[in-house]
Amino acid sequence: DSGVTQTPKHLITATGQRVTLRCSPRSGDLSVYWYQQSLDQGLQFLIQYYNGEERAKGNILERFSAQQFPDLHSELNLSSLELGDSALYFCASSVDPSGSYEQYFGPGTRLTVT
Amino acid sequence: EDKVVQSPLSLVVHEGDTVTLNCSYEVTNFRSLLWYKQEKKAPTFLFMLTSSGIEKKSGRLSSILDKKELFSILNITATQTGDSAIYLCAVYRGSQGNLIFGKGTKLSVKP
Repeated sequence: DSGVTQTPKHLITATGQRVTLRCSPRSGDLSVYWYQQSLDQGLQFLIQYYNGEERAKGNILERFSAQQFPDLHSELNLSSLELGDSALYFCASSVDPSGSYEQYFGPGTRLTVT
Repeated sequence: EDKVVQSPLSLVVHEGDTVTLNCSYEVTNFRSLLWYKQEKKAPTFLFMLTSSGIEKKSGRLSSILDKKELFSILNITATQTGDSAIYLCAVYRGSQGNLIFGKGTKLSVKP
């Protein structure tokens, strides 16, 4: 158990819908990262937050957004869902964004868009 | 373009064998290299390497980084069936603030 929690574990929804994925980082970690893992693309970085502020963006679609709250939990919002959005979504956390500390991954949310 | 390349993509060995997994990288603003083991779901952290030539060890697993030649290896000695997993190599890019992952090496250990 990494100490990072994610809910829900599984999500099945229809195209065009909107979902919210939730992540709580490890105690003491201020940085949160979101990744998408699909069979053909591997693990892809989406977005990073540090202490409530957006720090870095990867290949995140405009239909996706995220935020980190004062209690440091984070939410990833996916809207106008398409079949291709079906994937595993991981949250990871680290002490800070310097790269000097390891990132620990949560158990992931498996999203299926039908 | 930044990239992390792992080889081989898959490997089948028998229990007791020793394996070496390779990871090469071309990444701007390198900060650290990390190895993860992914079984059913979440990647679990194995090692983080920042300095060249210093071996990190944990039981039967060890890893080393060569920052001059831009590669790292992960060694697993006396493999067990429980070592069967996908091993991921990732490099942290300081300027972009994220990990860039390789495609992984799928290791299968046969009894």
